[in-house]
Order: sequence, then structure tokens, then C-alpha cells
Amino acid sequence: EVQLVESGGGLVQPGRSLRLSCAASGFTFDDYAMHWVRQAPGKGLEWVSGISWNSGSIGYADSVKGRFTISRDNAKNSLYLQMNSLRAEDTALYYCAKDELRGSSSGAFDIWGQGTMVTVSS
Amino acid sequence: QSVLTQPPSASGTPGQRVTISCSGSSSNIGSNTVNWYQQLPGTAPKLLIYSNNQRPSGVPDRFSGSKSGTSASLAISGLQSEDEADYYCAAWDDSLNVLFGGGTKLTVL
Repeated sequence: EVQLVESGGGLVQPGRSLRLSCAASGFTFDDYAMHWVRQAPGKGLEWVSGISWNSGSIGYADSVKGRFTISRDNAKNSLYLQMNSLRAEDTALYYCAKDELRGSSSGAFDIWGQGTMVTVSS
Repeated sequence: QSVLTQPPSASGTPGQRVTISCSGSSSNIGSNTVNWYQQLPGTAPKLLIYSNNQRPSGVPDRFSGSKSGTSASLAISGLQSEDEADYYCAAWDDSLNVLFGGGTKLTVL
């Protein structure tokens, strides 16, 4: 079964850091670009960051650029998001998502995890 | 406010055909393909349409997508109660960001 399982969310104070993980299974992880997408409570979807299959191409939304770092470990079939200098507006459910296009990125996400909640509050 | 503009709400009765629009610009929809997602209450989004008009395996042919210029549309024919959900369009932008529309809440009356 193709599956993505996120972990690492929780309650954190403003200015602190948190590292999210996403464990992939059921597909050849190192063939696909991967992405993080978040959804604030009661709000819409926001793309956060994406990374190509070989980590050669990485992108960030302007809202997180300079604070968040995406990475992947193909040997461990895992995707990560290091979040520093967290703000209240980063409070959201963070989804890990797989790109549907093998070897490149179409920006279409065909597999999603269940999400991990990050709450930034003092 | 999202760069891709969708109506906040849409509605229809069972069996009807409903369309949801998504308006962008030359730097996103105008030069890249559009994808559509369905998000049922309390669940993760699901890819509904990719590359403007392609349906992933398992998506009923009641769902269709189209694109013209800097706008795109999602059409749902033979509306069913289980189609009640939030729908989002998305596209790459030339700034190398993936943009989502603000979402459209579809109500089946």
C-alpha cells in the first residue's frame, strides 16, 4: 500500500524550532519529488516547500523562505522539514505529499499523508 | 488572498452539473498546467484532475477539467451528495512556487 506518514508536530513557543518527518512506503521513493503543504485551521491549502528526487532542486514559499529547510534521505525513504523561528501564523496541519510525475515535478500531488499538527503559541 | 481566484462557494441539486472556476495570470495558469483537489471534511486532499484535464485512476468520469488562457474550470456532472466537499485548484507559478486557489465549498442541496 502506498503510504505517507507524518510525525513530529506539537505545541511549540514562538521563536523555537521543530522538525517534521514523513515516512514513505509502497513506492520507489527516490523516483519522485516530494512536497510539504499546510492548512491553517479553517483555512485553505498552502504549498510550503518541495524537493526534487535527488535534492538537486528545492523551492520554498516566500512565507517560510529563510526559516524552513526541506531535506530528504532516500536511503531511509524519508522527507523532513526543519522549521526554525516559528511564528503564530505557522500554526497549521502539515501534509507531506508525493508528486505524481516520476523523475521530475508536475506540481500535482497524488498521494498525501494524514498530516501532523503544529501549534505555535506561548 | 490567493493568487488563484476561486468562488468561495457553489451549490447544486443531485443530478445537476456544477462548474467551479479558477482564475490566474500569465505567470501561473497561463504558462503551466492546472490541477484540482477534492477535500472531504476532516480528510486529506485528494488529486481529482491533473495536467488540466487528466483523471487519476479511480476518479469517476463525472469529474472533468478544462483550461483556457489564464483560467481553468472543474465540472462535476450528475452531482451526488458525496461530492459535497472543498475543491482547490493549483498550478506552478513561474516563480517556482506551487499556488493554490482559496478553495470552493460545494454544497449539494
